[in-house]
Amino acid sequence: QQQVKQSPQSLIVQKGGISIINCAYENTAFDYFPWYQQFPGKGPALLIAIRPDVSEKKEGRFTISFNKSAKQFSLHIMDSQPGDSATYFCAASSPIFTQGGSEKLVFGKGTKLTVNP
Amino acid sequence: DSGVTQTPKHLITATGQRVTLRCSPRSGDLSVYWYQQSLDQGLQFLIQYYNGEERAKGNILERFSAQQFPDLHSELNLSSLELGDSALYFCASSVVTSHNEQFFGPGTRLTVL
Repeated sequence: QQQVKQSPQSLIVQKGGISIINCAYENTAFDYFPWYQQFPGKGPALLIAIRPDVSEKKEGRFTISFNKSAKQFSLHIMDSQPGDSATYFCAASSPIFTQGGSEKLVFGKGTKLTVNP
Repeated sequence: DSGVTQTPKHLITATGQRVTLRCSPRSGDLSVYWYQQSLDQGLQFLIQYYNGEERAKGNILERFSAQQFPDLHSELNLSSLELGDSALYFCASSVVTSHNEQFFGPGTRLTVL
């Protein structure tokens, strides 16, 4: 059972454009939503994360938008650059005091982003 | 560099064999997680240890086991290997707080022939 659904599977944007990746979750106990960036041959690197008490978080060119009622969250990359070309994963976790809770991350399937120069 | 180290970087072995993957967490991190990344299943949580004790288990096969030692490094043991076990295995570590920021190592690529 996939608890975090990510789309699109792949995305091609032009340099300077906006990249948007979407995720939807089912488990309402999730309370932490990070995004990871992974380059080929490397481990995932934490990019930005949000908790459901805020609707948006911005760090530089990266913004997470969060819609608790719709159980959706998205990553926006402004002014996309060729160096942003990587695979992006959304993830979620639930607090340890919930049934079956743990700090373990449940990942989406990933989005391969290509930014053309 | 996340501060998490994993060895070896690559491992090639045959079906039926047993291997051990090693992970050293970031300094000060008490929690270690193991994840498997394959093309068809994506990133899947295997198991978590916190300060030497098992904390949570995911879809980890019975042929797989892990432990965390007093110096907090962890080992993932994979036995009776099958072709389908070929994957990238990542270790992540975190200070177990409400923020749950997990930092991933560079991974071990396991190839089972």
